[in-house]
Amino acid sequence: EAGVAQSPRYKIIEKRQSVAFWCNPISGHATLYWYQQILGQGPKLLIQFQNNGVVDDSQLPKDRFSAERLKGVDSTLKIQPAKLEDSAVYLCASSFISGVDGYTFGSGTRLTVV
Amino acid sequence: QKEVEQNSGPLSVPEGAIASLNCTYSDRGSQSFFWYRQYSGKSPELIMSIYSNGDKEDGRFTAQLNKASQYVSLLIRDSQPSDSATYLCAGYTGGFKTIFGAGTRLFVKA
Repeated sequence: EAGVAQSPRYKIIEKRQSVAFWCNPISGHATLYWYQQILGQGPKLLIQFQNNGVVDDSQLPKDRFSAERLKGVDSTLKIQPAKLEDSAVYLCASSFISGVDGYTFGSGTRLTVV
Repeated sequence: QKEVEQNSGPLSVPEGAIASLNCTYSDRGSQSFFWYRQYSGKSPELIMSIYSNGDKEDGRFTAQLNKASQYVSLLIRDSQPSDSATYLCAGYTGGFKTIFGAGTRLFVKA
C-alpha cells in the first residue's frame, strides 16, 4: 500500500511570508492529522480531521495557521504570515479509524523561517 | 492536562545488550499505547502497539504495559547500532486523541 505523501520536503521562507504544505493520506484512511515537531521535542498535534470534518484544532494558532481537507482526502496546511518560531518539521499522518491502532506518518516538510 | 512522560536520555548501551525504554502516562482512561522509532531527520515509524496489561513480543522488541502503575516500557534485545534512534511513546486516550511523549534518544555503541 502506498504511504502518506507530503510535499514539499523542504521549504525556506522569510518571516511574514506565507507557505502551504500538502498531504495525501493512505487510501481509505478516514482520519488525517497535522503535527508540528520542533527539534528535540515530540510531535505536537495541530489539527485532526475525521473525513472532511475537524475533530480537534485546539492547538492550532488560528491567527496564522489554517487547514482544510478537500472531499475527505487530500489536505493542505497554510501559514500566513510565518514567524521565526514556526521553523519546524510539519508531519502529516493518517489512520484508518481514529488512531486507536496507531498512525502512519508521511516523510514530513522541514520548514525554515529566516 | 493529559501527559505522556519519557526520560529524554540519551540512553547508551553496548551492542548486544538489552535496551530498556520507559514511559509513564497520566490519563487512566488511555486505551492503547504505541512505540514509534524516529531516526534523525526522518519521520516516526510505528514499531509496537500494546492494548492490554502484560507483555507483547515482536522479534527483538518487547512492549510491556502495566495499567495499574500507568507505565509502558519497550525492551530491545541484542541491541544493534542500527537501533540508534529516538523512541517516542504515545497513548491513545479515546475521544480520537493520541498524546506523544518527547522521546528518548538511544545510542547503541558498536
